[in-house]
Amino acid sequence: NAGVMQNPRHLVRRRGQEARLRCSPMKGHSHVYWYRQLPEEGLKFMVYLQKENIIDESGMPKERFSAEFPKEGPSILRIQQVVRGDSAAYFCASSPLFRKETQYFGPGTRLLVL
Amino acid sequence: QQQVKQSPQSLIVQKGGISIINCAYENTAFDYFPWYQQFPGKGPALLIAIRPDVSEKKEGRFTISFNKSAKQFSLHIMDSQPGDSATYFCAATLSYTGNQFYFGTGTSLTVIP
Repeated sequence: NAGVMQNPRHLVRRRGQEARLRCSPMKGHSHVYWYRQLPEEGLKFMVYLQKENIIDESGMPKERFSAEFPKEGPSILRIQQVVRGDSAAYFCASSPLFRKETQYFGPGTRLLVL
Repeated sequence: QQQVKQSPQSLIVQKGGISIINCAYENTAFDYFPWYQQFPGKGPALLIAIRPDVSEKKEGRFTISFNKSAKQFSLHIMDSQPGDSATYFCAATLSYTGNQFYFGTGTSLTVIP
């Protein structure tokens, strides 16, 4: 009974490179959420997706950030031209169709931008 | 605007004592209030949750108290143990939209033997 899986667990990028973070939801879950956690802070919502649809991206920065949840495969959070301020822990959560308020979190990807 | 405010930022409790963490929310439409426990290097894990139609929910040593009129809720950890040392986050959401959680800023709990 695998939980939410995220990879890589740690990612180091130089300024200007691209970062791709992957999230596989729990089996049977059709909703995926991405959150960002800065050091010593709480989690901040970024985007909410269902298969092939972005439902709410109100927390996504307007530039350089994008997310997708294709029909097949994991959800991807993509950060283009990373800057030092993007260094954070990025968490993915998933929830089942009829219990959308019950979100289960993955272990996170810790992104470090040099 | 911080939708959910959490206090204290850090808490030190003796083993066997009661740990109390408080949260206040702004949006009266919120209808689901979970608490998450996070250990260093791990993702948040759902601990316990409550809806506003009840004033208290207990699961083992963990109890949520909810005050709808004051827009406040709190987590009580009875008989605190060193293994409870972690960061605790409260959150709030509108369950019918299935959208984002609004998280508090976290409380770092240390239980000393």
